[in-house]
Amino acid sequence: GESVGLHLPTLSVQEGDNSIINCAYSNSASDYFIWYKQESGKGPQFIIDIRSNMDKRQGQRVTVLLNKTVKHLSLQIAATQPGDSAVYFCAERGNTGNQFYFGTGTSLTVIP
Amino acid sequence: DAGVIQSPRHEVTEMGQEVTLRCKPISGHNSLFWYRQTMMRGLELLIYFNNNVPIDDSGMPEDRFSAKMPNASFSTLKIQPSEPRDSAVYFCASSFGGGGGEQYFGPGTRLTVT
Repeated sequence: GESVGLHLPTLSVQEGDNSIINCAYSNSASDYFIWYKQESGKGPQFIIDIRSNMDKRQGQRVTVLLNKTVKHLSLQIAATQPGDSAVYFCAERGNTGNQFYFGTGTSLTVIP
Repeated sequence: DAGVIQSPRHEVTEMGQEVTLRCKPISGHNSLFWYRQTMMRGLELLIYFNNNVPIDDSGMPEDRFSAKMPNASFSTLKIQPSEPRDSAVYFCASSFGGGGGEQYFGPGTRLTVT
């Protein structure tokens, strides 16, 4: 029979535009979140993190927003570049403190 | 720093064979994680170690899978016997501190079981 895989959300943006990638998390008690970027053939790479006592954190060209009320994270990438093309994962820290649970990921394609 | 090192990068084996994946964490990191990534299930945590001790192995699929960390600089993930459904990319990651901070991922081992 036909195999069914994860349907990865996809986002296509023009180079230079801003990108917004969204993530819903499951555990209302999670206190720490990370966004990872995974390029083809490579392992996930840390982009930015945020603790639950914050609602916004900015890095270089990236901003993470946390809405604990609706258990939602977003990653904003300013002036998106072709090198930003990748799959982006959000991860929430588990209850025992050391493990993380990853979302299904969003595939970002930047159109030159 | 060389980062997390995994070997082999690619492994092709026949069903029923034993497979051993290897990982060298970043020096000084005291937590080590094994993940499996497939199109069907995404990125799944299999097991993690803290100070060489397995803390949570609830993600290990079944008894065919086992992981060891004999010292702070080396870990193995073994599958015996392997099955076609084990085909996936296996990642090792390490981090510092018991608070579950940023994890550094290795390049992964792509396993194909025929």
